Amino acid sequence: GAGVSQSPSNKVTEKGKDVELRCDPISGHTALYWYRQSLGQGLEFLIYFQGNSAPDKSGLPSDRFSAERTGGSVSTLTIQRTQQEDSAVYLCASSLLRRSGANVLTFGAGSRLTVL
Amino acid sequence: TQLLEQSPQFLSIQEGENLTVYCNSSSVFSSLQWYRQEPGEGPVLLVTVVTGGEVKKLKRLTFQFGDARKDSSLHITAAQPGDTGLYLCADRSQGNLIFGKGTKLSVKP
Repeated sequence: GAGVSQSPSNKVTEKGKDVELRCDPISGHTALYWYRQSLGQGLEFLIYFQGNSAPDKSGLPSDRFSAERTGGSVSTLTIQRTQQEDSAVYLCASSLLRRSGANVLTFGAGSRLTVL
Repeated sequence: TQLLEQSPQFLSIQEGENLTVYCNSSSVFSSLQWYRQEPGEGPVLLVTVVTGGEVKKLKRLTFQFGDARKDSSLHITAAQPGDTGLYLCADRSQGNLIFGKGTKLSVKP
């Protein structure tokens, strides 16, 4: 597609349930990123995929969070046993990796997660 | 771990006023980017600056990169309501980007 697509756009769940958030990056983009943004705050890095390399998982806040990227394209962020503090907007972005290193990220509109 | 600090955190001004927001890093920037995020949307790239002392202009927006590459400013001339949003600075760190917490700008008609 022309842009980064995320689904669902909104998700309300009960504490303790598992949720899956999906990201369709721009076709041909080799890098994919997940960020979390709490209300009125900046972006907190979660995980980064680059080609076939092992993902950088250094930002995942706990072992309840995991992500995979199938076939170098679509990515799914899974949160197990959700907690109220997981409520946030989850943003996905993709980019080409430039030689200069100045990656230009294109973001999706985000998935707003509310844990009751 | 690199920390990006942005100031002010909030800024509310009237249409037509000028403003400047700042981004400071605890270490030298690799390549600094400024993004703007409107409510309900993802951030959109405004500019990338790489060279110390660099100045870039984008219509009414002027971006400056400090000589030591540890600070940057964004100046908006004659702000308009359409400039309202969250302004974020970001730096490349080991392949991914880390972001500051942003400056939330509100321009009132």
